[in-house]
Amino acid sequence: TQLLEQSPQFLSIQEGENLTVYCNSSSVFSSLQWYRQEPGEGPVLLVTVVTGGEVKKLKRLTFQFGDARKDSSLHITAAQPGDTGLYLCAGARYGGATNKLIFGTGTLLAVQP
Amino acid sequence: EPEVTQTPSHQVTQMGQEVILRCVPISNHLYFYWYRQILGQKVEFLVSFYNNEISEKSEIFDDQFSVERPDGSNFTLKIRSTKLEDSAMYFCASSSVYEQYFGPGTRLTVT
Repeated sequence: TQLLEQSPQFLSIQEGENLTVYCNSSSVFSSLQWYRQEPGEGPVLLVTVVTGGEVKKLKRLTFQFGDARKDSSLHITAAQPGDTGLYLCAGARYGGATNKLIFGTGTLLAVQP
Repeated sequence: EPEVTQTPSHQVTQMGQEVILRCVPISNHLYFYWYRQILGQKVEFLVSFYNNEISEKSEIFDDQFSVERPDGSNFTLKIRSTKLEDSAMYFCASSSVYEQYFGPGTRLTVT
């Protein structure tokens, strides 16, 4: 069974602080996606990374895919209360029959004003 | 911006009843998926569908589950005889290649 472990599970920070969320596995993924999910809603796609070592920026969010395509990180600069939510990483297994996603355990972020 | 839509948003049914969850994927996408999320747990893969057939299914997706693309736009998940443990949020997703876009979900409550 493949696992994607996210850390930390919970993070409560003050507005303006920086933070990093990690997503780790022992398996190789062909692609990895980051989502944000609000309570009672579907995951909303933030970014997809495909190439080992790839770095993508989305405003104050920076996403990195590990060189070996086993891990990823999400860095948020100068967090704002609007960043509060559940962040999920999800990977498509390398060599899999389909691009089914294996979801991580999630990181619940709370940004205090 | 194109989006995945799902109906109903909430379905309450009695144990043993059949339910059909409906999804309209993004129009030019070719790959369709169903996932579920039991309250407080991870999102879990159920089934993927491509070229009018199932391409992969999980252990959860047993004989009680089926999927169909009855026309060019809808994608449905049927549960033949619901059990209490089927209570969950069910998400439909679609993709062209890697990027999977999720619908808002159907909350299924089995009583």
